[in-house]
Amino acid sequence: EAGVTQFPSHSVIEKGQTVTLRCDPISGHDNLYWYRRVMGKEIKFLLHFVKESKQDESGMPNNRFLAERTGGTYSTLKVQPAELEDSGVYFCASSQRPGQGATNEKLFFGSGTQLSVL
Amino acid sequence: LAKTTQPISMDSYEGQEVNITCSHNNIATNDYITWYQQFPSQGPRFIIQGYKTKVTNEVASLFIPADRKSSTLSLPRVSLSDTAVYYCLVGPAFYGGSQGNLIFGKGTKLSVKP
Repeated sequence: EAGVTQFPSHSVIEKGQTVTLRCDPISGHDNLYWYRRVMGKEIKFLLHFVKESKQDESGMPNNRFLAERTGGTYSTLKVQPAELEDSGVYFCASSQRPGQGATNEKLFFGSGTQLSVL
Repeated sequence: LAKTTQPISMDSYEGQEVNITCSHNNIATNDYITWYQQFPSQGPRFIIQGYKTKVTNEVASLFIPADRKSSTLSLPRVSLSDTAVYYCLVGPAFYGGSQGNLIFGKGTKLSVKP
């Protein structure tokens, strides 16, 4: 079974440019999350989708960040325009919903996208 | 969501048993304790989860005392490949429908030496 995949693995852009990160969750996983870790800091929650709906976006830093999950499959996270402080590693994770054979929740993470804004 | 405290780093030698303790004094009744492992350039990987007493799987054991204010991850006979950062997380098994909105903290950097 394929795991959570993220594209690209690395992205280097200049300040002011736009970048779109993509996450393909494990097939059948309704829950999809975005996290990020900026340099030297802890992994922080950004937002949570249940299928195509945003369940919780309390961790989104500002309106330069836009996440979508059209059709409830893969998700994209767009940063426009990118700023220097957006540099870091962006992780995506997915999980099954309760009742789908899961008695508790185990998150499956992708390898992350390393974003560098110069 | 309960805050956790764990050692910043630990060193061990191959073949030894490693125990990493996590404090979570404000754990709530419906909170579970979950441990993740993270290697460089990879995302966190689920290791084990428990609510009380002892849980064991093919990778590790998790010991949780009766008051649940702490927990200990036990890795038997570690090898060089167990060198990683280990995170202790506390939260409801299904927080608002999911466990995703968790506080990772700084984790414990385990270094296994030959």
